Amino acid sequence: GAVVSQHPSWVICKSGTSVKIECRSLDFQATTMFWYRQFPKQSLMLMATSNEGSKATYEQGVEKDKFLINHASLTLSTLTVTSAHPEDSSFYICSARERGQGETQYFGPGTRLLVL
Amino acid sequence: AQTVTQSQPEMSVQEAETVTLSCTYDTSESDYYLFWYKQPPSRQMILVIRQEAYKQQNATENRFSVNFQKAAKSFSLKISDSQLGDAAMYFCAYRSERSNSNSGYALNFGKGTSLLVTP
Repeated sequence: GAVVSQHPSWVICKSGTSVKIECRSLDFQATTMFWYRQFPKQSLMLMATSNEGSKATYEQGVEKDKFLINHASLTLSTLTVTSAHPEDSSFYICSARERGQGETQYFGPGTRLLVL
Repeated sequence: AQTVTQSQPEMSVQEAETVTLSCTYDTSESDYYLFWYKQPPSRQMILVIRQEAYKQQNATENRFSVNFQKAAKSFSLKISDSQLGDAAMYFCAYRSERSNSNSGYALNFGKGTSLLVTP
């Protein structure tokens, strides 16, 4: 089946630094990737939709200057948390929609971010 | 915007028994997809089952089946012969059939139901 990887799986950083999270579709081409955020014991909240070769579309309330998304190729999207603060600590999950297979999304294993 | 409601924050079932998790949703669309995802302690999201709204037949995947009631906007998940490995958070999700200008084909999740399986 289709596999999506995320790197890193765990990151601890100091307040004020930037953190980049990679999301890769390993065995398929993903025209669209999605970035979700999940707080403990809560559901997944969509942050942004990333389409290959175009600017990401952000959900209301998500700061695009803080959460930079780049979908550089059909297999890679990156989320950069700029000038991270403790309130950005969360679990970030990406998913990828396979090209031509519209209704199924495959999820990455997630990245746990802790900002000290 | 479509809303997905899971009214059971926690459910418990004994091993080998059957449990049903409820999900309702609100939409004005006629074509859409519904999903159940499982999130074990590893936090990896795993697709359990998928239902296309245009299909009248309820989807089944081995021990997992759904009761899809389109008029009632209800989409419950039945787990038969429950196993210890079924313990997880279960999320119901909605996806529009059409891409909208904002979120494309993004999934809209309910708040989840935590399933405990007891020996």
